[in-house]
Amino acid sequence: NAGVTQTPKFQVLKTGQSMTLQCAQDMNHNSMYWYRQDPGMGLRLIYYSASEGTTDKGEVPNGYNVSRLNKREFSLRLESAAPSQTSVYFCASRTGTLVNQPQHFGDGTRLSIL
Amino acid sequence: RKEVEQDPGPFNVPEGATVAFNCTYSNSASQSFFWYRQDCRKEPKLLMSVYSSGNEDGRFTAQLNRASQYISLLIRDSKLSDSATYLCVVNGPGTASKLTFGTGTRLQVTL
Repeated sequence: NAGVTQTPKFQVLKTGQSMTLQCAQDMNHNSMYWYRQDPGMGLRLIYYSASEGTTDKGEVPNGYNVSRLNKREFSLRLESAAPSQTSVYFCASRTGTLVNQPQHFGDGTRLSIL
Repeated sequence: RKEVEQDPGPFNVPEGATVAFNCTYSNSASQSFFWYRQDCRKEPKLLMSVYSSGNEDGRFTAQLNRASQYISLLIRDSKLSDSATYLCVVNGPGTASKLTFGTGTRLQVTL
């Protein structure tokens, strides 16, 4: 009963380092999303993938890249980490085939950039 | 104007009280609406969908007013365990559209 699984759960990086956040869902959902959440800012969409083979920018894409590896997996990459990217990152998925369907979230990755 | 606006609170209420949260959205073409609950340092979890005719789930009642572009959540008989942040979420038209999240209203239920 995994749902949406994110790895790692915690990570500390130095400025300039790169890393990839992994996300996988086992609900056969078409659409997947990456958000960041900062205090007082709410959830902000970084990138999303409406279906396998497509990706689109969200509200705050700068400094990030994504890959929709297959229907199950959607990864988020920080090429050169900056302190401003310290945040909690959530991955979510949704069926994408019906209109009135909610998103299901992973339990987040807490990322600190020193 | 933000796409989805909520009163940030916090709302501090005693156990057993009734509390209401409001939310407004700017896109009149929005098609579906949700309330999520988020506990401190946890992921958002779906509380309930909001239907045009209004809907109830136990102590929780959600209402939608499309003409005023307004959504509400009523919690009756508040419990300590209801303490959380409540997120108003709006979906644009189309199956591939994105959900837009409000910044949330924080509720603290006290003894």
